[in-house]
Amino acid sequence: EAGVAQSPRYKIIEKRQSVAFWCNPISGHATLYWYQQILGQGPKLLIQFQNNGVVDDSQLPKDRFSAERLKGVDSTLKIQPAKLEDSAVYLCASSFGTSAPEQYFGPGTRLTVT
Amino acid sequence: AQTVTQSQPEMSVQEAETVTLSCTYDTSENNYYLFWYKQPPSRQMILVIRQEAYKQQNATENRFSVNFQKAAKSFSLKISDSQLGDTAMYFCAFMNTAAAGNKLTFGGGTRVLVKP
Repeated sequence: EAGVAQSPRYKIIEKRQSVAFWCNPISGHATLYWYQQILGQGPKLLIQFQNNGVVDDSQLPKDRFSAERLKGVDSTLKIQPAKLEDSAVYLCASSFGTSAPEQYFGPGTRLTVT
Repeated sequence: AQTVTQSQPEMSVQEAETVTLSCTYDTSENNYYLFWYKQPPSRQMILVIRQEAYKQQNATENRFSVNFQKAAKSFSLKISDSQLGDTAMYFCAFMNTAAAGNKLTFGGGTRVLVKP
């Protein structure tokens, strides 16, 4: 079974530029999560999708971050414009649902904003 | 809001020995899951073990086992017969199943170094 795929693995941009990350969840997983992990900390949830609808985006800085999950499969997370404090690893995770709530993570994208 | 605390920033252990990582959490909920995730230098978060709060029996997965003390809100992870590949960050995580979304709340992590 293929795992959660993410791209790119690394990205370096200058502040005020824009960037986008892509995630493909495990086949059949209805729920998709985006987490931000700042160096030395645990991941923090940014947004959660159930199929193509948003369940929780309370921690998403909506003035600069946006995310979508068209067709309920792949998802993209965008930052525009980026700030220095956005430097972090962005992790995508997916889960089957309530009966199997374990979340499975992708390899993450390390973003450096200079 | 739930909080998860891992009080040990770093621990080292000799190969083949046992190490125990501590985790405490704060919640008023009765139904929830607890997880331990491993994050090696490759950054991929790997699920190690899970525990349902309604189960009194402690979960075990090969060399990994937990000590779940619900009243004390404690959830420690024991790694037995430590191997060099166990070197990683370990995160304790809480999931409130009563709330919509099943989001994970993570602790700050414990770095484990297995020495040859």
